[in-house]
Amino acid sequence: DAKTTQPPSMDCAEGRAANLPCNHSTISGNEYVYWYRQIHSQGPQYIIHGLKNNETNEMASLIITEDRKSSTLILPHATLRDTAVYYCSTQKGGSNYKLTFGKGTLLTVNP
Amino acid sequence: DAGVIQSPRHEVTEMGQEVTLRCKPISGHNSLFWYRQTMMRGLELLIYFNNNVPIDDSGMPEDRFSAKMPNASFSTLKIQPSEPRDSAVYFCASSTRPGVGATDTQYFGPGTRLTVL
Repeated sequence: DAKTTQPPSMDCAEGRAANLPCNHSTISGNEYVYWYRQIHSQGPQYIIHGLKNNETNEMASLIITEDRKSSTLILPHATLRDTAVYYCSTQKGGSNYKLTFGKGTLLTVNP
Repeated sequence: DAGVIQSPRHEVTEMGQEVTLRCKPISGHNSLFWYRQTMMRGLELLIYFNNNVPIDDSGMPEDRFSAKMPNASFSTLKIQPSEPRDSAVYFCASSTRPGVGATDTQYFGPGTRLTVL
């Protein structure tokens, strides 16, 4: 799986959009980009994933660059409960189901 | 659905003792993963199973660690003998193995916080 690089921490004002970047420059053609988050003391929680196209669900949007070397997770209206560590990961389709977590980004949403 | 269930939630033991962590995956899921999380090393995959069969145990730190999945609804992670450096939060996750070319979404349990004195 491709190595991912994320900023260690970010701040965001409550109600504003939070944009979390991830670099995965060595990603291969069949690798998906996954985002999980971990709220203090809880197990990681799936947010969203994508391959090439931008994706949106009830939690967030995922923007993947055309060359697929980076992506951005967007929380459109951050709340205090979105304060968590956000992990970007890649996973190959098919037979490889290993998910490798990096150090993640600690997002702090401020009132 | 109750989600992934882990027990115990907290475990405190003394060095040299045997520790058994338990996991019940989400019903219908056929892949199960054990992770360990520490401040120093972050979240590490220890082992994962597909259809109760261990597929990759390369993350298991040493022979003191063993994992079993006797049936689709139960798995254990055992440490014998335990050491202080095994202190960590251990997470279990499960997923439904997708078709060829697709990927899975893992659902994590609440974790077991292990402290070895």
